[in-house]
Amino acid sequence: DVKVTQSSRYLVKRTGEKVFLECVQDMDHENMFWYRQDPGLGLRLIYFSYDVKMKEKGDIPEGYSVSREKKERFSLILESASTNQTSMYLCASSSTPGRANQETQYFGPGTRLLVL
Amino acid sequence: AQSVTQPDIHITVSEGASLELRCNYSYGATPYLFWYVQSPGQGLQLLLKYFSGDTLVQGIKGFEAEFKRSQSSFNLRKPSVHWSDAAEYFCAVGGGAAGNKLTFGGGTRVLVKP
Repeated sequence: DVKVTQSSRYLVKRTGEKVFLECVQDMDHENMFWYRQDPGLGLRLIYFSYDVKMKEKGDIPEGYSVSREKKERFSLILESASTNQTSMYLCASSSTPGRANQETQYFGPGTRLLVL
Repeated sequence: AQSVTQPDIHITVSEGASLELRCNYSYGATPYLFWYVQSPGQGLQLLLKYFSGDTLVQGIKGFEAEFKRSQSSFNLRKPSVHWSDAAEYFCAVGGGAAGNKLTFGGGTRVLVKP
């Protein structure tokens, strides 16, 4: 079974704090993704990575950065958290670079972030 | 640009009744289409996907979906729902050409009455 784990299920942070969300997958997948999930808006792609140290912006990258130093780990960083970044954050992975829009993505359980 | 619309935000259905969730997409060519389910407190899990061929696709948990090109739709159905089907369901579209982006709909939350 593919397993995608996220470091925290719930986080509470203060405005202006630097926030790190960690994601680990155990299936040797090349692609990893960070999504934000908000009611009525579905999932929106923040960033994705198709290889170690490689990243591309998704639809809503503003206010976020990412890091992928090892194949199995993909981190989402909120440089200075703001209240409008309160949301559910989902990490996902898939196997084939360049074909992420055609294959199954495997999701972690999500991190619910509250920024006060 | 590709897009997905799920017109129903909430659906309530009685246990044992049939269920149909609507999904309309916008894409210029034959798309890759997916249905994912998110049970409470869990990540998304793939129910089924359509790439080509038979337009009626069978998935896990007794779900099926039908691709209708003329209507740009990919509706999800289940003949008889179980209480465990209470969840949020997401339709997603990928491109026909190789690429990296899936576009998700806003989701439909299904409540199951006993």
